[in-house]
Amino acid sequence: GAGVSQTPSNKVTEKGKYVELRCDPISGHTALYWYRQSLGQGPEFLIYFQGTGAADDSGLPNDRFFAVRPEGSVSTLKIQRTERGDSAVYLCASSPGQGAREQYFGPGTRLTVT
Amino acid sequence: ILNVEQSPQSLHVQEGDSTNFTCSFPSSNFYALHWYRWETAKSPEALFVMTLNGDEKKKGRISATLNTKEGYSYLYIKGSQPEDSATYLCAFGAGSNYQLIWGAGTKLIIKP
Repeated sequence: GAGVSQTPSNKVTEKGKYVELRCDPISGHTALYWYRQSLGQGPEFLIYFQGTGAADDSGLPNDRFFAVRPEGSVSTLKIQRTERGDSAVYLCASSPGQGAREQYFGPGTRLTVT
Repeated sequence: ILNVEQSPQSLHVQEGDSTNFTCSFPSSNFYALHWYRWETAKSPEALFVMTLNGDEKKKGRISATLNTKEGYSYLYIKGSQPEDSATYLCAFGAGSNYQLIWGAGTKLIIKP
């Protein structure tokens, strides 16, 4: 079956612009996670969805970042007024449920803010 | 602050040699420890999820051990092959919503 997909694979945008990053999880997976990885660091947790609701958004760095999952499948991470420090690889993962389960990752979106 | 440390940061190993590297994590409030392999331009691939102290898991030439009392896990690769070249990440499962706290990874390069 299809794995987790993310679009676009690469995004270059100018400082101050708005971007949307999309994640298509594995069908039937109720849990969806967003992570951000900056160069030389491990992935950093951003937000976790269980179904349609954001169960934990404590990792979002500030109010320029927002994510939705309106129908409990596809999720969009939205970044307003992008800054150069937002440049990173944004990873999405899905899981059959909460807890000590494997998280299945997409290939990531590499965001570059110029 | 929960911290996950991996060492070494990078490692060059001759093809055919065996190798291992370490993940250190908080020993309190342990829930699970994950190992992933991440090859360039691909998705991170789950290797193991380990939950019990003393757990040992194996997948082919790769194995892992877990010590939750002292807060470390070792990943072993036996008879390294060029296709083992990747970054190996560990992540500590914590919190009521099970966030993964990640190490920075060990970058493994196998020299033919």
